[in-house]
Amino acid sequence: DAKTTQPPSMDCAEGRAANLPCNHSTISGNEYVYWYRQIHSQGPQYIIHGLKNNETNEMASLIITEDRKSSTLILPHATLRDTAVYYCIVRVRGGKLIFGQGTELSVKP
Amino acid sequence: EPEVTQTPSHQVTQMGQEVILRCVPISNHLYFYWYRQILGQKVEFLVSFYNNEISEKSEIFDDQFSVERPDGSNFTLKIRSTKLEDSAMYFCASNNQGDSTEAFFGQGTRLTVV
Repeated sequence: DAKTTQPPSMDCAEGRAANLPCNHSTISGNEYVYWYRQIHSQGPQYIIHGLKNNETNEMASLIITEDRKSSTLILPHATLRDTAVYYCIVRVRGGKLIFGQGTELSVKP
Repeated sequence: EPEVTQTPSHQVTQMGQEVILRCVPISNHLYFYWYRQILGQKVEFLVSFYNNEISEKSEIFDDQFSVERPDGSNFTLKIRSTKLEDSAMYFCASNNQGDSTEAFFGQGTRLTVV
């Protein structure tokens, strides 16, 4: 069901940038790429989303390739509190979010 | 900052009993959703709701499930006759417009069926 592919896990040193990749080769021209994260069993937390252009907010940056077949979420200065499962989601028409297994990011001291 | 609130945070119920999970979406939002997450598994879409009717539902959302927006502020999920396999975290979400705006999630209700 998920239209995205992510590595199951990644490590990052505290204070360094965390770069989380995502492949979405079958994305349609009007579908948005969304990133959420989930800490333990808390509700998924919205991070950022984009259509074609790169986006930046207070939490992260989103880099989308020109062909839109892949993207990268960048946490510029990872902290221990950024340890979570990160989900890259191509949002389908109608608005529902289809979650995959995500990437488990471990930020280490 | 506005947030989606869910009550209760934890509910324990006996198999066969009815449960109602409650959500207060963000006030100016128009689209509402329920998701569930069985322990150790991924988050699964259940149902979306817009303009006072279901706009989409998954295969999980069978006749035992129903949703309602009774008073313009609350959004509820009812499970008529709970089964052991209904034990999960249930998340409510809402967003202002369709695909182009972010959906915000509540902190969830942990439902335990015994």
